[in-house]
Amino acid sequence: KQEVTQIPAALSVPEGENLVLNCSFTDSAIYNLQWFRQDPGKGLTSLLLIQSSQREQTSGRLNASLDKSSGRSTLYIAASQPGDSATYLCAAPGMGAGNMLTFGGGTRLMVKP
Amino acid sequence: DGGITQSPKYLFRKEGQNVTLSCEQNLNHDAMYWYRQDPGQGLRLIYYSQIVNDFQKGDIAEGYSVSREKKESFPLTVTSAQKNPTAFYLCASSLPGGGFGELFFGEGSRLTVL
Repeated sequence: KQEVTQIPAALSVPEGENLVLNCSFTDSAIYNLQWFRQDPGKGLTSLLLIQSSQREQTSGRLNASLDKSSGRSTLYIAASQPGDSATYLCAAPGMGAGNMLTFGGGTRLMVKP
Repeated sequence: DGGITQSPKYLFRKEGQNVTLSCEQNLNHDAMYWYRQDPGQGLRLIYYSQIVNDFQKGDIAEGYSVSREKKESFPLTVTSAQKNPTAFYLCASSLPGGGFGELFFGEGSRLTVL
């Protein structure tokens, strides 16, 4: 069964800092991995979907990488802003029936002005 | 605007009552999903449907029921058999199912049992 872990659970940084969020998964036979953002009391917003054939995917100040062999993905946020404060979740397909996504517990990010 | 609409946003229920949460999507996606989110527990899959008139149990289906009579709609009923129904419920959809497609979420419905 796929297990997805995100460390750290919480992170506080000053505005303007570049930062990296980590995601690890146990079953490396995945065909994609997805990163989401969740604001308090809201649904999840898709940030980036990385296919297994890609090593990186970029959107604005966000860059996600995928290393299947090591079972790791990272989300890089450049020049962080207070508006980036949210919980960030990663999700990878499981290898069970239906190949449904398994979610990590998330990293709660606070960017201080 | 294309998206997923969940209603109601907030719902209060007395113990012993069934309630139905609505989920509608106009993205023309084949697959739809229901997740439950509790503090400290992450997202857990309740039910999913990859095609009209077919659905499968997820990890925590006990006490819940769904239907998929139309491609656009995937309502979730929380029955009185669900022992701890207070939670934040999230509906999602993807174009292809089976973990292949990008997953999109609605804004969620918060259910509180009084």
